[in-house]
Amino acid sequence: DAGVTQSPTHLIKTRGQQVTLRCSPKSGHDTVSWYQQALGQGPQFIFQYYEEEERQRGNFPDRFSGHQFPNYSSELNVNALLLGDSALYLCASSPLRTGRQGLFFGSGTQLSVL
Amino acid sequence: GQSLEQPSEVTAVEGAIVQINCTYQTSGFYGLSWYQQHDGGAPTFLSYNALDGLEETGRFSSFLSRSDSYGYLLLQELQMKDSASYFCAVRDLPSKIIFGSGTRLSIRP
Repeated sequence: DAGVTQSPTHLIKTRGQQVTLRCSPKSGHDTVSWYQQALGQGPQFIFQYYEEEERQRGNFPDRFSGHQFPNYSSELNVNALLLGDSALYLCASSPLRTGRQGLFFGSGTQLSVL
Repeated sequence: GQSLEQPSEVTAVEGAIVQINCTYQTSGFYGLSWYQQHDGGAPTFLSYNALDGLEETGRFSSFLSRSDSYGYLLLQELQMKDSASYFCAVRDLPSKIIFGSGTRLSIRP
């Protein structure tokens, strides 16, 4: 049973560029959440997708957008990259009512903005 | 605002017991979770409390007091492999889980 898979694992971009990160959820999961984790900090909630719609959004600007496909996979897009966007981007999947199962995280995409 | 407070660092001895506390202030509350993250790895789910009291899973236990907006993670019979960062997380909305800044646990032989 494959867990949550993310691609790419590492990415280097320059300021002003755009980036797309991809996530395939764990089998049986229909909900995908995206988090940004700076070094030494906790994951910061970006948004959650369910049934191809954004259900909730954290305190991130509109430069951050997402999409969920009918097969439950998801993309995170970041436009007009800033140096401060350099971080580990984590995708987490869950059944809609996560409860005792918690979130299952992928290994993340390490984004460096130069 | 919303906040989750936990100690930044804790040090303990192998074989001992350690408790990591978490206090939270959130607009809503649906449950408190704990996650473990090793350096370079992904967070992994440890436990979940929706109601007051103690939940036990092997060497790990988690406690919640909703009236005090407080919880803790208790790790017993510490092993070197338990050296990691531990995060408390609150589901403050049905579709949103927010994380604390994490507690780095270092274990000495």
